[in-house]
Amino acid sequence: GDSVTQMEGPVTLSEEAFLTINCTYTATGYPSLFWYVQYPGEGLQLLLKATKADDKGSNKGFEATYRKETTSFHLEKGSVQVSDSAVYFCALRENYGQNFVFGPGTRLSVLP
Amino acid sequence: EAGVAQSPRYKIIEKRQSVAFWCNPISGHATLYWYQQILGQGPKLLIQFQNNGVVDDSQLPKDRFSAERLKGVDSTLKIQPAKLEDSAVYLCASSLYSAEYNSPLHFGNGTRLTVT
Repeated sequence: GDSVTQMEGPVTLSEEAFLTINCTYTATGYPSLFWYVQYPGEGLQLLLKATKADDKGSNKGFEATYRKETTSFHLEKGSVQVSDSAVYFCALRENYGQNFVFGPGTRLSVLP
Repeated sequence: EAGVAQSPRYKIIEKRQSVAFWCNPISGHATLYWYQQILGQGPKLLIQFQNNGVVDDSQLPKDRFSAERLKGVDSTLKIQPAKLEDSAVYLCASSLYSAEYNSPLHFGNGTRLTVT
C-alpha cells in the first residue's frame, strides 16, 4: 500500500538556520502531496501542497517541490524562527482514491 | 469561516468504560474523517464518511468502536469498552470535495483521551 517516510526527529536548530525535512513516498498512482504542521495542543494545519510532478508548493517561507523521479517532497525554509517550532507531517492523497496517508511526523525545535 | 469543532478537548476514563466524541465539520464539507493519533505517530484513519454514508471503515476496530454521521453533518465516535491502548488524540477532519484529490483536509483541535 501507499506509505510516507520522513526523517526522524527531533530536529533542533538555531534561529535563522536553514531547514530541510526529508520526505519520500511510495504510491501506485500519481498522488497529491501535502505538508501539514501541528503546533502544541492544536490539530493539524495545511502548510502547503503540490498536485503534480515539478509543482512547487510554498507558504510562510516554506517550500517543497514534487519530485516524481525521486518520489520525494522535501520541506525547506531558508531562515527558521522560534515560532516555527512544531511537528511537521508529510502526507499524500491517492489519485483515484480518497484516503490521506500520513508520515510519522518530524518534531522541529528552534532555539533563540 | 468557522473551523472544525470537536468536543470534549480532554477525557479521562477507566478501562472498560465507554466514551463518545463529537465533531461538527466545516459547513458544506461533504467528507468527514476520524483519525487516531497515538503519541509520536502520524494520524491513522479510522473511518471516512461521504455525506451520511461510510466510504472506508477498514481500519476501525468494530468490536469496540462505532461512528455515525446522521443527516450528513455532525458525527459521533464511540468507544465501548475502552482499552488502555486507546489512549490517543482523536482528530476529526473534513474536506470539501471527495472527488477532488487535491482538496486538503481541515482538522479540528482533537480530543485527548487517557484510559487508566
